[in-house]
Amino acid sequence: EVVLTQSPGTLSLSPGERATLSCRASQSVGSNYLAWYQQKPGQAPRLLISGASSRATGIPDRFSGSGSGTDFTLTISRLEPEDFAVYYCQQYGGSPLFGHGTKVEI
Amino acid sequence: EVQLVESGGGLVQPGGSLRLSCAASGFTLSNFWIHWVRQVQGKGLVWISRINLVGSYTTYADSVKGRFTISRDNAKNTVFLQMNSLRAEDTAVYYCARGSYNWNDEFPLDMWGQGTMVTVSS
Repeated sequence: EVVLTQSPGTLSLSPGERATLSCRASQSVGSNYLAWYQQKPGQAPRLLISGASSRATGIPDRFSGSGSGTDFTLTISRLEPEDFAVYYCQQYGGSPLFGHGTKVEI
Repeated sequence: EVQLVESGGGLVQPGGSLRLSCAASGFTLSNFWIHWVRQVQGKGLVWISRINLVGSYTTYADSVKGRFTISRDNAKNTVFLQMNSLRAEDTAVYYCARGSYNWNDEFPLDMWGQGTMVTVSS
């Protein structure tokens, strides 16, 4: 069974700083079917990245995804106040599952 | 407006049943796989089930297999999650989400409902 491990659990940064979030899979993610979601308190998740590196419609270009195989990264180049949230990676396709999330806090 | 709307949540006793509904508006549900994801308050997202375009293929997380059943009525633009033998640990917000528009499930969840709360307690 695949496990997605996200690190760090919490990232404390200031607006304008760069955020680097990691998602590591215990087995290779087929076809790079790796997505990233953002969730703010009281809201449903929002898709940010699909296919490890493709931004979803309407997502600002300060969000970027990279990686392949078992190691993936979500980078927020310059944090805006609205970016402070919890971020989840997800393997989709064959056996969908989520990582446990990284909280980006001020 | 293009959206998914869940309903059917509420308070139920352990061992009881609930049926959640996920209704689509502004688009044709039958063109998409639909997934259910749940979230315990203050915790992370947990994928629990999915159904293909025509309802002929379903999969479940081990934690709900044999107790939950996903189905769809494309004529009513609605997907259902029948939850039986409910346990305290099933208490969570349940989201439905739109997945792939292909015959194969190869796209992520690009639209989510607002969620419906299920509380299992005596």
